[in-house]
Amino acid sequence: GENVGLHLPTLSVQEGDNSIINCAYSNSASDYFIWYKQESGKGPQFIIDIRSNMDKRQGQRVTVLLNKTVKHLSLQIAATQPGDSAVYFCAENTYQGAQKLVFGQGTRLTINP
Amino acid sequence: DADVTQTPRNRITKTGKRIMLECSQTKGHDRMYWYRQDPGLGLRLIYYSFDVKDINKGEISDGYSVSRQAQAKFSLSLESAIPNQTALYFCATGEGPSETQYFGPGTRLLVL
Repeated sequence: GENVGLHLPTLSVQEGDNSIINCAYSNSASDYFIWYKQESGKGPQFIIDIRSNMDKRQGQRVTVLLNKTVKHLSLQIAATQPGDSAVYFCAENTYQGAQKLVFGQGTRLTINP
Repeated sequence: DADVTQTPRNRITKTGKRIMLECSQTKGHDRMYWYRQDPGLGLRLIYYSFDVKDINKGEISDGYSVSRQAQAKFSLSLESAIPNQTALYFCATGEGPSETQYFGPGTRLLVL
């Protein structure tokens, strides 16, 4: 069936380095792709989204890249800080009888000092 | 004040008990959702509602029921709790063509 998944369950980076979190999806009909950040003990928080007719979108210290040819989505975090430690989820907006989100399993990002 | 609130934040109950988890929002969104989160399984959709008169089952609705009392309120009930319903439960609201969702802080439920 259609699903959204992540290549790696964990990622460790040095403070100050750039982080790249990857996501594979299989529903080519999805309109939007969204990244969420979930800190320990909190609910997921919206970071950035990208529409399917775009291949790149930038926010504050974050960039999302979409490669529809290989059905791949990535989140790049520049100059990673300790506060970036969290689990990151990708989600796709897919119409399965009604418009709703399908979430991937998540990648845990750990920042080393 | 938080835009999406959930009560209680933590709950311990026994097998067979009926419990209700409540969600309120001040974002003015018509769409509301209940998710369950288990370690390693991400977020799974239980029920969703696109307005007060609209209730839909998600991928794991068995054993759960919901009530949309008003635009701002969406409650989740476990009629007869069982241990494998031990999980973290999130309520969310949604808006826009991207279906951006805003989550509450979660309710941690333990069924003994």
